[in-house]
Amino acid sequence: GENVEQHPSTLSVQEGDSAVIKCTYSDSASNYFPWYKQELGKGPQLIIDIRSNVGEKKDQRIAVTLNKTAKHFSLHITETQPEDSAVYFCAAQPPGYALNFGKGTSLLVTP
Amino acid sequence: DTAVSQTPKYLVTQMGNDKSIKCEQNLGHDTMYWYKQDSKKFLKIMFSYNNKELIINETVPNRFSPKSPDKAHLNLHINSLELGDSAVYFCASSQGVFTGDMNTQYFGPGTRLTVL
Repeated sequence: GENVEQHPSTLSVQEGDSAVIKCTYSDSASNYFPWYKQELGKGPQLIIDIRSNVGEKKDQRIAVTLNKTAKHFSLHITETQPEDSAVYFCAAQPPGYALNFGKGTSLLVTP
Repeated sequence: DTAVSQTPKYLVTQMGNDKSIKCEQNLGHDTMYWYKQDSKKFLKIMFSYNNKELIINETVPNRFSPKSPDKAHLNLHINSLELGDSAVYFCASSQGVFTGDMNTQYFGPGTRLTVL
């Protein structure tokens, strides 16, 4: 089955700096890669996703890149703000199977 | 309007009891899911229903039984609760199943279950 590795497990950055979270997946058939943000006491919220026919996608301060050959994808957050502090999850989904989540990255943005 | 809602938000109970968690989505989606998030924040799928039919059943003890009375509702019943069942349970929904542009999942706020 699909196995998703996520790094780092914790990340601390200064406000205004960039944050990068990386994930690798094992199943080359995976074709859908969402990123979720989970704030304390809340459910995961989709922030951006990418499909395997695209190499990069951007939405304001958030971007995701996908390297299908290397089987890794990354989340980039620029100009971080304290409200970006949360746990971020990557996931990968092969066709016909369920989403497999990484173990999460706890991001802390300090003012 | 809440897209995916769950009740209760908190559930504290004794070992051996039976409890249920309810989930409703008003997105018109065909597929619903239950996930378990343990103390280390790891999210693991338990079940998925598409149009009231079970389509994913991961390795979950048979004390857990999902029920979908209609495609907008997916409830989770747990018998003989054990200490290890303590976790946060999330319901989610998506337009379709697994492929295309319809598999984006939307999560509910979670139910924190504590078994004493």
